[in-house]
Amino acid sequence: AQSVAQPEDQVNVAEGNPLTVKCTYSVSGNPYLFWYVQYPNRGLQFLLKYITGDNLVKGSYGFEAEFNKSQTSFHLKKPSALVSDSALYFCAVRDITGGYQKVTFGTGTKLQVIP
Amino acid sequence: DAMVIQNPRYQVTQFGKPVTLSCSQTLNHNVMYWYQQKSSQAPKLLFHYYDKDFNNEADTPDNFQSRRPNTSFCFLDIRSPGLGDAAMYLCATSRDRESLYEQYFGPGTRLTVT
Repeated sequence: AQSVAQPEDQVNVAEGNPLTVKCTYSVSGNPYLFWYVQYPNRGLQFLLKYITGDNLVKGSYGFEAEFNKSQTSFHLKKPSALVSDSALYFCAVRDITGGYQKVTFGTGTKLQVIP
Repeated sequence: DAMVIQNPRYQVTQFGKPVTLSCSQTLNHNVMYWYQQKSSQAPKLLFHYYDKDFNNEADTPDNFQSRRPNTSFCFLDIRSPGLGDAAMYLCATSRDRESLYEQYFGPGTRLTVT
């Protein structure tokens, strides 16, 4: 099965500083990778995806992610963090098991942006 | 605005008492999903419907059932809730299986089992 790993349970960053939320993947074949964000007491929101093409993917709310095949990573980045970015971030991968596609999520990283 | 709606937002049930959670969508999407999310964990897929075609995850307990009477509505039935079933239950949709990664989530129903 395909999987993603998020090595950090929590990331703290000062407002205005660049942020990085890490994700590594383990897949056979070409990876389809995604990032979702979950604000408190809310459902998940899709941020961005990598399927093919440019290694730097731009998404919603000023976020971007860099696909690195040699390091099997797909880190989420933003040049300047906002307090409102504080949330739970999930990396995810397309998984094909049981004859159909589904999305498998990582364990999540809590981002805390400090004013 | 088109959206995914879950009712109720909070549900309290007693140990062993059947409970039904509701999801509706105005997106006219073909695929609807139910996830279970325990505190600060990854959402875990329970099952999904592609139109009327039901797909159950292999490790979803028999205690969990689902119904999709039409395109707009999908229900999660827990026949005999246990304390371990307390969680947030998320409903999501996608336009079709090819765009499965871009899922639209409802706000969730937080289930408490007493």
